[in-house]
Amino acid sequence: AQTVTQSQPEMSVQEAETVTLSCTYDTSENNYYLFWYKQPPSRQMILVIRQEAYKQQNATENRFSVNFQKAAKSFSLKISDSQLGDTAMYFCAFMKQEGNFGNEKLTFGTGTRLTIIP
Amino acid sequence: GAVVSQHPSRVICKSGTSVKIECRSLDFQATTMFWYRQFPKQSLMLMATSNEGSKATYEQGVEKDKFLINHASLTLSTLTVTSAHPEDSSFYICSATNYGYTFGSGTRLTVV
Repeated sequence: AQTVTQSQPEMSVQEAETVTLSCTYDTSENNYYLFWYKQPPSRQMILVIRQEAYKQQNATENRFSVNFQKAAKSFSLKISDSQLGDTAMYFCAFMKQEGNFGNEKLTFGTGTRLTIIP
Repeated sequence: GAVVSQHPSRVICKSGTSVKIECRSLDFQATTMFWYRQFPKQSLMLMATSNEGSKATYEQGVEKDKFLINHASLTLSTLTVTSAHPEDSSFYICSATNYGYTFGSGTRLTVV
C-alpha cells in the first residue's frame, strides 16, 4: 500500500514571495504518477501539476514547479511569485501506473493549508 | 476540457431517509468513477471505485449496503446514502476518469 505524507499542516507567505510545500511518499512501485491538487474555498479540486516517475526532468506549469527526488521519495511543490488566488488547501497525491491512465485510484496526503498574505 | 457535473451541491435530509448524489461526465465517457468523502479540514478518503457495468469495489471499512453505488452508463454514477444518520454528514466528491482525472464540485450532505 502507498502512503503520502505532508508534514506542513499550515503555511503562510507574503504575496509575491516564493513558497515550497513538502510531500514524501512511500511505495514499492517503480512506475507511478505524482500530483499536486489545489482545493480553494469553493472545494473544487483543481490539478496544479503532474509528474511521471519515469521522467527525470521536473515538471513545471508557469509559476508552479516541482522538485522530484525519486530515490528519496520526495515531491515538493514550489510556487513562485505567489498570488492571493493561490490561497487554498494543497494536496499531494500518488497513483500507480497500471493500464490506462486514470483507472487507478489516487492516494492523497493530509494537505497543507496555504495562506497568501496581502 | 473534461467536465464532471455533480448534483446536488448541498442537501439536508432527515435522519433515516436516503439521499442520492449524481455524478455525470458531460463531454466524455468515463470508464471508471471514484467516490471520496472529505471531513472538515481533512483529506479526501476514497470510499469506492465504480466501473461501468460491474459492481463497485469498496474500500475497507466502507459499508457497501449503506453507500450504494451504481454506474449504469459511461456518463453517470450515483451514490445513495441509505438510512442516513448525522454521522454521515460530510462532503462527498466524485471523480470521473478516462485517461485523466476530473473532479466534480462536491456535495455537502447534512443529516439532521
